[in-house]
Amino acid sequence: KNEVEQSPQNLTAQEGEFITINCSYSVGISALHWLQQHPGGGIVSLFMLSSGKKKHGRLIATINIQEKHSSLHITASHPRDSAVYICAVAQRVSYDKVIFGPGTSLSVIP
Amino acid sequence: DGGITQSPKYLFRKEGQNVTLSCEQNLNHDAMYWYRQDPGQGLRLIYYSQIVNDFQKGDIAEGYSVSREKKESFPLTVTSAQKNPTAFYLCASSMGLAATGELFFGEGSRLTVL
Repeated sequence: KNEVEQSPQNLTAQEGEFITINCSYSVGISALHWLQQHPGGGIVSLFMLSSGKKKHGRLIATINIQEKHSSLHITASHPRDSAVYICAVAQRVSYDKVIFGPGTSLSVIP
Repeated sequence: DGGITQSPKYLFRKEGQNVTLSCEQNLNHDAMYWYRQDPGQGLRLIYYSQIVNDFQKGDIAEGYSVSREKKESFPLTVTSAQKNPTAFYLCASSMGLAATGELFFGEGSRLTVL
């Protein structure tokens, strides 16, 4: 079993729909990252959170430390949101370890 | 604008050749990282460096080498000892540890072995 899992693996939505991507993890963490990977391959950091909820524009990220679960929500989705969304968890262990999930591929259709 | 620059974007290599991927950052970040991405898998850590002239192996360091002679630069050499080098390589940096700080990524380098 992977230490970080995401669901769904692939997601197709109509423009304007509310989207939720889930991340569950099995290790103790100090923080959780949500990242966006564009079709060209570059990655942009969306959120880093260790508790509660953060909002940036149409994006909302939540985390429940007790349940080891995080969600990324996109409101009023747009075709430019089409990308791969990656969940990554950060651990304070003997070295600087970040474990990345496999990603969720999102396609928003006009 | 501050950021991370990787080059080349695409690289083709014959078996048995060493190749070096460049990573330069002007964010004044102490920590730099190299990750490998394969289809359907999460990013895996190859090497990281938290300070100039020091670096540590990650989870998949075999067949790779790095140097950190300057704060801004963290080149990765893919040696002929790497058995399956065809992959997408991403360089990243953070102000402190990636475990506690935001990660910044380059645009990546796609290496294909012919």
